[in-house]
Parts: sequence; structure tokens; C-alpha cells
Amino acid sequence: EDKVVQSPLSLVVHEGDTVTLNCSYEVTNFRSLLWYKQEKKAPTFLFMLTSSGIEKKSGRLSSILDKKELFSILNITATQTGDSAIYLCAVTNSGGSNYKLTFGKGTLLTVNP
Amino acid sequence: GAGVSQSPRYKVAKRGQDVALRCDPISGHVSLFWYQQALGQGPEFLTYFQNEAQLDKSGLPSDRFFAERPEGSVSTLKIQRTQQEDSAVYLCASSLGGGGQGEAFFGQGTRLTVV
Repeated sequence: EDKVVQSPLSLVVHEGDTVTLNCSYEVTNFRSLLWYKQEKKAPTFLFMLTSSGIEKKSGRLSSILDKKELFSILNITATQTGDSAIYLCAVTNSGGSNYKLTFGKGTLLTVNP
Repeated sequence: GAGVSQSPRYKVAKRGQDVALRCDPISGHVSLFWYQQALGQGPEFLTYFQNEAQLDKSGLPSDRFFAERPEGSVSTLKIQRTQQEDSAVYLCASSLGGGGQGEAFFGQGTRLTVV
């Protein structure tokens, strides 16, 4: 059974700080790792990673995957209060249920002014 | 529509009552998913449709849960004889391709509270 563990479970920072969120996984026949931001209720897509060592970047957010050590990190620089949310990590496999996202519990990030 | 739409946004049900949750996916999206998110947890897979065919219902927690997508667009998740442990946010997602191809877009969810 695929498994995703995120850390920390919660984090409180001040505006302007840089944060690193961690995601480790165990997947049979790994296909991809995805990061989502969840405000209120709807998770919104941030990144999909399939290859090791290639950084994906969008504004102040970036993410990288290490397929050897089976983890990914999500970095947020110069945090703003609008970054406060739950950040979810999910994986997919390339087996018969390749459509299924297996999520971690998420990291609750609170950015204080 | 512009995004995945779910209704109702909130539902309070008395234990034992039947409920029906609706999902309108993005027009033209082949794949549709239902996930259940309990408080403090990540979403957990319930079921997957490709067009009108329910290809995977392995995540449905009991036979009280039933999902359908009869015309390959709108989907309904029905829960019979609700129990307190059914209290959760029910998320629907759709993606353009079949078989896990492409990004999944999530709706705002329905928060079900069973009292």
C-alpha cells in the first residue's frame, strides 16, 4: 500500500520567513509526486514532479524530488499571510490504479504578520 | 462551468438519514473522483469514474456508500443510514484525460456533519 508522510504537521512563522515542508513516500512503481495548497476546502494544484533533481518553480514557491531517498521538499521564500494554508503532498503509481492520489496528512502553515 | 462545482456546501444530517452529494465536473472532463477528508487528515480515495463507467470503488468504506455518474458528467455520491463516522468533507475532482492522465481539479467540497 502506498504511503505518504509529511512533516512538520504544523508550522507557525512570521511574514518574510522562508519555510521548507517535507514529504517522504513509499510507493510501488512510483509515477509522480504532487503538491497541493488547501485553503478553506478545495485543494489547488501547485506542482507535479516526476524526475529527480529537477526543481520546479513558481514565484516564491519551489519544489524538488529525490527519487533515490524517496522524498520531496516544498520551499516557500519571503512568506506572506496569504500563504497560510494546509499543504498536501500526494503520490501516484504506474500500476493498475494509476489514477489514484494517495495523500499525506498535510502540513498546516500559519504565517503571522 | 469554470471549475468543479459541488452542492450542497454544507449538510447536517441526523444519524440514520440518507444524503446525496452532487458534483458537476469541468465540462468535457473524462475522469471523476470522489475523496473523503476527515478532520486533520489528508483526502482519501473513495471511487473513480471514467465517463459513465465506475472503474474503481475500492475506497468506499461500506455498502452504505454508493456513487453514480449515469451520463458521464454529473455525479452523485449517496450515503444511506448515515453514521457519525461519516462526518467529513467530501471532495470531488475531475481531470481531462482517462486513466490518471493530466492534473486533477478539485471542487470546494461538501462538509457533512452527522448528528
